[in-house]
Amino acid sequence: DAKTTQPTSMDCAEGRAANLPCNHSTISGNEYVYWYRQIHSQGPQYIIHGLKNNETNEMASLIITEDRKSSTLILPHATLRDTAVYYCIVSNFGNEKLTFGTGTRLTIIP
Amino acid sequence: DTGVSQNPRHKITKRGQNVTFRCDPISEHNRLYWYRQTLGQGPEFLTYFQNEAQLEKSRLLSDRFSAERPKGSFSTLEIQRTEQGDSAMYLCASSLADTDTQYFGPGTRLTVL
Repeated sequence: DAKTTQPTSMDCAEGRAANLPCNHSTISGNEYVYWYRQIHSQGPQYIIHGLKNNETNEMASLIITEDRKSSTLILPHATLRDTAVYYCIVSNFGNEKLTFGTGTRLTIIP
Repeated sequence: DTGVSQNPRHKITKRGQNVTFRCDPISEHNRLYWYRQTLGQGPEFLTYFQNEAQLEKSRLLSDRFSAERPKGSFSTLEIQRTEQGDSAMYLCASSLADTDTQYFGPGTRLTVL
């Protein structure tokens, strides 16, 4: 699986949009970009995934650049409950295992 | 709640003892995964099952570790002769084969003294 690079930590004010970047310059054509998050003392939680097109669901939006070498996860109106470690993962669809990096620790500031 | 459950949530043991953890996946999910997470790191894949068949094992899974899923439902992970380096959070996840989402349980935190 391709490697991803994420900032170690970020802060965002409550109510503002949180934009979390991820670089995946070695992504191959059939690999998807997945985002999971892990709130303290809980298991990881799936957020969203995409291949080429931008995606949106009830939790977040995923913007993938045209060359697919980077992406941004957007939480449109961050709340305190969005404080978590966010993992960007590149993998084949339906892959049997997820390869997590160290993620971005997002802190929402009141 | 019909999510993934894990028991126990916490386990403290002495070095050299054996421990066993249990994972109950979401009922219709045929894939079950085990991961390990140490402090400050992301989860690391250990092994996964499709139904009762163990299809892949990581190099991290030494011969002191064994996982089973005898009836294709719940799974157990046993660690024999525990070492201090085994101290970690052990996470279980489940999914339907060839789908995009793994659902994780809350984990079992193991402390080896």
